[in-house]
Amino acid sequence: QVHLQESGPGLVKPSQTLSLTCTVSGDSISSGNFYWSWIRQHPGKGLEWIGYIHSSGSAYYSPSLKSRVTISVDTSKTQFSLKLTSVTAADTAVYYCARGRTGYEYNYWGQGTLVTVSS
Amino acid sequence: SSELTQDPAVSVALGQTVRITCQGDSLRTYYASWYQQKPGQAPVLVIYGENDRPSGIPDRFSGSSSGNIASLTITGAQAEDEADYYCNSRDSSGSFVFGTGTTVTVL
Repeated sequence: QVHLQESGPGLVKPSQTLSLTCTVSGDSISSGNFYWSWIRQHPGKGLEWIGYIHSSGSAYYSPSLKSRVTISVDTSKTQFSLKLTSVTAADTAVYYCARGRTGYEYNYWGQGTLVTVSS
Repeated sequence: SSELTQDPAVSVALGQTVRITCQGDSLRTYYASWYQQKPGQAPVLVIYGENDRPSGIPDRFSGSSSGNIASLTITGAQAEDEADYYCNSRDSSGSFVFGTGTTVTVL
C-alpha cells in the first residue's frame, strides 16, 4: 500500500521560501509511470494544482506558479519536495502531495499540511 | 481562475439520484476525474477515465461525458456521500486544473 506524508514548517514569513517534503512509502518515486504532485487548498476554498515531477524525472508546473515553483526528487527516491519562493499571505493553504496515474488522476494522497504565511 | 465550472451546491434526498456536472472546453478532448472530499480530510478519487472506479469505491458512483460537460452521478445517495466533489482534468493550455467544486447535501 502506498503512503504519502507531508512535512515541513507550518509558518513561513512573507518573501521567504516555502519548503515541504513528501515522504513516500510502499513505492519508489523513480519506478513506474506516475506523477508525483503537489496540490494546495486555500482555507475554505477549492483545490489548486501546483505541479508534478514524473517518475522519469521531468517536471511540469502550473503556469500561474511556474516562476516561483520547483519540485524535485531526493536522491533516496523516497522523498520529493516542493519549493515556493517569495511567498505572500495568498500562499497560505493546506498543501497536499499526491501520486497520480496521469496528471489528473490522483489515487494516493497525503493527509495535507497547513502552511501559514505570516510575519 | 478555474476553467472547469461546477454548480456550487446541490442537494439530494436519501436514496435518490444526484448528478454533479463539470463544464469546460477541454472536456471535449480529455476525461475528467472526480474526487470526494469530506471536512478535514484529503480528497479521495472516486471516478477516473471513461467511467472507472478505484478499488473500494461503491458502484453507486458513476461517470459520464458529453461534449464539454463531464458528470458524476450518485445513484441511491447515502448519508456518507455528503461531501464536496471536485472534477479534475486538463485545461485549454494543456496544464491541469480542478473544478470549482460542488457541495452535496443529503437530505
